[in-house]
Amino acid sequence: DVVMTQSPLSLPVTPGQPASISCRSSQSLVYSDGKIYLNWYQQRPGQSPRRLIYWISNRDSGVPDRFSGSGSGTDFTLKISRVEAEDVGIYYCMQGTHWPFTFGPGTKVDI
Amino acid sequence: QVQLQESGPGLVKPSETLSLTCTVPGDSIRSYYWSWLRQPPGGGLESIGYIYHTGDSNYNPSLKSRVAISMDTSKNQFSLKLTSVTAADTAVYYCARTARVLDCWGQGILVTVSS
Repeated sequence: DVVMTQSPLSLPVTPGQPASISCRSSQSLVYSDGKIYLNWYQQRPGQSPRRLIYWISNRDSGVPDRFSGSGSGTDFTLKISRVEAEDVGIYYCMQGTHWPFTFGPGTKVDI
Repeated sequence: QVQLQESGPGLVKPSETLSLTCTVPGDSIRSYYWSWLRQPPGGGLESIGYIYHTGDSNYNPSLKSRVAISMDTSKNQFSLKLTSVTAADTAVYYCARTARVLDCWGQGILVTVSS
């Protein structure tokens, strides 16, 4: 299985300040169609995961533009330009290229 | 946002079969792949498998001998069966739309394996 690692695993943040989460895959995530299936999810306490970003950097409808994704190869990053209180939760990266699709261990963001 | 709804027993006895159903609103079930995932209490996320209306499906090798996913397009539902469950199968089970980009998730259902 493709192993997804994230750092840090815990991220204390200050409202208004930026935050960054790193995700690394154990192998290339380029699929046969040329796309890189790297997604980011936010899971607020007591809720199901919500997709924020797909294909590395495409933000979902309704996701604030303070969230951005970047990366290439096996290294990817989720950035929050200015953290808000509602951003508290666990953030997961997920690869959808190699079956079984796998998730990182999650990064807990709290204030 | 598409609202998926998982349903089924919240308590299953060890060695028995876990059975869950996901109801898809509208008539979109033939248009997408549909997935099952799970998350143990306080734990991370695991892909279980996915299915398309043609019957194309795939299961996580770690569960393959115990899992089956099926679809009933007439009812706009797809289902999960996991046999010979143990306490290690206690988790919140989610259904989700698509497979590679999981864009919409159900609220999840907690299934506890206990006698």
